[in-house]
Amino acid sequence: ETGVTQTPRHLVMGMTNKKSLKCEQHLGHNAMYWYKQSAKKPLELMFVYNFKEQTENNSVPSRFSPECPNSSHLFLHLHTLQPEDSALYLCASSPSLGTTEAFFGQGTRLTVV
Amino acid sequence: QKEVEQNSGPLSVPEGAIASLNCTYSDRGSQSFFWYRQYSGKSPELIMSIYSNGDKEDGRFTAQLNKASQYVSLLIRDSQPSDSATYLCAVIPWGSGTYKYIFGTGTRLKVLA
Repeated sequence: ETGVTQTPRHLVMGMTNKKSLKCEQHLGHNAMYWYKQSAKKPLELMFVYNFKEQTENNSVPSRFSPECPNSSHLFLHLHTLQPEDSALYLCASSPSLGTTEAFFGQGTRLTVV
Repeated sequence: QKEVEQNSGPLSVPEGAIASLNCTYSDRGSQSFFWYRQYSGKSPELIMSIYSNGDKEDGRFTAQLNKASQYVSLLIRDSQPSDSATYLCAVIPWGSGTYKYIFGTGTRLKVLA
């Protein structure tokens, strides 16, 4: 248990569905991140939040919409996804922006059909 | 040039041997370096962080950093079959002005019993 909890662990959704991924951290960290991990590719940074303010959007398509209501919670809202969006979505947190170690949640394995 | 480069492997070593994993990075101003271990289907787990030139030891793991040559390595002594995993190198490229963790594609390690 790393202190970063993601739900759901697995998700299958159709291309017309709307779903949300949830991340919660119990570490008192101020920075939170969404990463996408596809087969044979490095982890791709999607979004960065610091003190619940978005500091980075790494050219992510608008069908992915993040939300950070407070420093402990991070959501990724999904709508009209494509099959190529199927991947492992990982949430991470760190004490502050890009200084010390980041800790990852267990990830959500997303399959778009 | 990729920001963080790793040999994808697989790197096969016999049980009890030393496994040596290497990583090079492109941003000369980078200050923070991390090694993560990722088992198949699981999320990355932090093993080591290193910030200064030289060696840092933690149990069977030693991280080595050479900023002049822009490489960081991870040595695993007395390798065990349970060490078989993908090892991810992560760098914070301070020179970019943003504080995000950039990951390599990972090196797959196989420890043969």
